[in-house]
Amino acid sequence: EAQVTQNPRYLITVTGKKLTVTCSQNMNHEYMSWYRQDPGLGLRQIYYSMNVEVTDKGDVPEGYKVSRKEKRNFPLILESPSPNQTSLYFCASRHLAGGHEQYFGPGTRLTVT
Amino acid sequence: AQTVTQSQPEMSVQEAETVTLSCTYDTSESDYYLFWYKQPPSRQMILVIRQEAYKQQNATENRFSVNFQKAAKSFSLKISDSQLGDAAMYFCAYRRTGTASKLTFGTGTRLQVTL
Repeated sequence: EAQVTQNPRYLITVTGKKLTVTCSQNMNHEYMSWYRQDPGLGLRQIYYSMNVEVTDKGDVPEGYKVSRKEKRNFPLILESPSPNQTSLYFCASRHLAGGHEQYFGPGTRLTVT
Repeated sequence: AQTVTQSQPEMSVQEAETVTLSCTYDTSESDYYLFWYKQPPSRQMILVIRQEAYKQQNATENRFSVNFQKAAKSFSLKISDSQLGDAAMYFCAYRRTGTASKLTFGTGTRLQVTL
């Protein structure tokens, strides 16, 4: 089954404790990205990657890091989480060319206290 | 920068009736894609319908159809014969053509379906 998986689905952590949210897709998509969803703001892009070792900032990259060492994986790293990073996070992927559908993971609910 | 505006934070429709969700966008591009995504309580983002800007014909998927007005930069979603399972948050999204282009989302419209 074609899918994007994220782990964990729920995470409660404390300020400053480094964490990683994993993302993996099995559709051989070149393009992967991370979004955060906040009430009243819709979804905003954090980082994206067009292929292995190629990453770039989205609209709200501050406080986040990513890496793309393998085509299928695109982890999101919060080196020193803060309460304003409490949010719902989505990983997504698609093929590079054309108006292809973007597939979303199930979301990760992160709470930073 | 492209922006997407959904001016209806909440809408309500009776089962079996028709409802239209509004979306406007701002862009200087001539070629782009528009999408409607549904987010039920499970939080999963589900693609409802897609429209290519170069196509004049409005997209249709079963009970879902769009009214795409390119000159007015308007992209509304019509849901016919509404069902309880249609209750969700609906997001309008824009993406210009180009390999690195991102989805730009509106703020969403929460749709309630009543008996």
